Amino acid sequence: GEDVEQSLFLSVREGDSSVINCTYTDSSSTYLYWYKQEPGAGLQLLTYIFSNMDMKQDQRLTVLLNKKDKHLSLRIADTQTGDSAIYFCAESSGGYNKLIFGAGTRLAVHP
Amino acid sequence: GAGVSQTPSNKVTEKGKYVELRCDPISGHTALYWYRQSLGQGPEFLIYFQGTGAADDSGLPNDRFFAVRPEGSVSTLKIQRTERGDSAVYLCASSLNPLGAGEGEQFFGPGTRLTVL
Repeated sequence: GEDVEQSLFLSVREGDSSVINCTYTDSSSTYLYWYKQEPGAGLQLLTYIFSNMDMKQDQRLTVLLNKKDKHLSLRIADTQTGDSAIYFCAESSGGYNKLIFGAGTRLAVHP
Repeated sequence: GAGVSQTPSNKVTEKGKYVELRCDPISGHTALYWYRQSLGQGPEFLIYFQGTGAADDSGLPNDRFFAVRPEGSVSTLKIQRTERGDSAVYLCASSLNPLGAGEGEQFFGPGTRLTVL
């Protein structure tokens, strides 16, 4: 069945780059997503990548997709304390964009 | 403009009671999704509406859960005979176009935190 796996924790120093990794199982997923969740706030879409792309860059965010290995990563350049949050990887399933989420990676940014 | 709203923000109930959770999607969004997020987990899909009809309810855990969207806008998730295991945050999302990203981006509400004692 569909499954999305992520590492649970990542700690980085302010100003360094963060890389959050994700693996997924549904090779028919059309889109793959990264969402951010801050305490007490709703899920916020950060970026997404179409399955026929290898890379997408959006300001400080870079998404890399290895479709052969079903591996997705999110790189955040110059990580700031405001980037501290839980990051969810999600794949779309079905023709109507039903989202299958990973358990989330908690990113902690320290001075 | 107004985003997706959900009421109540918090609901505490006793085991065995009936609860209703409401979702007001963004005006004009035809697609509506319900997800459930347990502590320490990612959201899990429950049900998807296109217009008034439930196009996919495969994520509903059992027949105690039911959802409606009678006029193609507001949706209500109904849980009968609540159990302690139903405690979670229930999230609603809507999108303009269910077919993929871009116009298909799902906008999430803040969620309803349900606690069953």
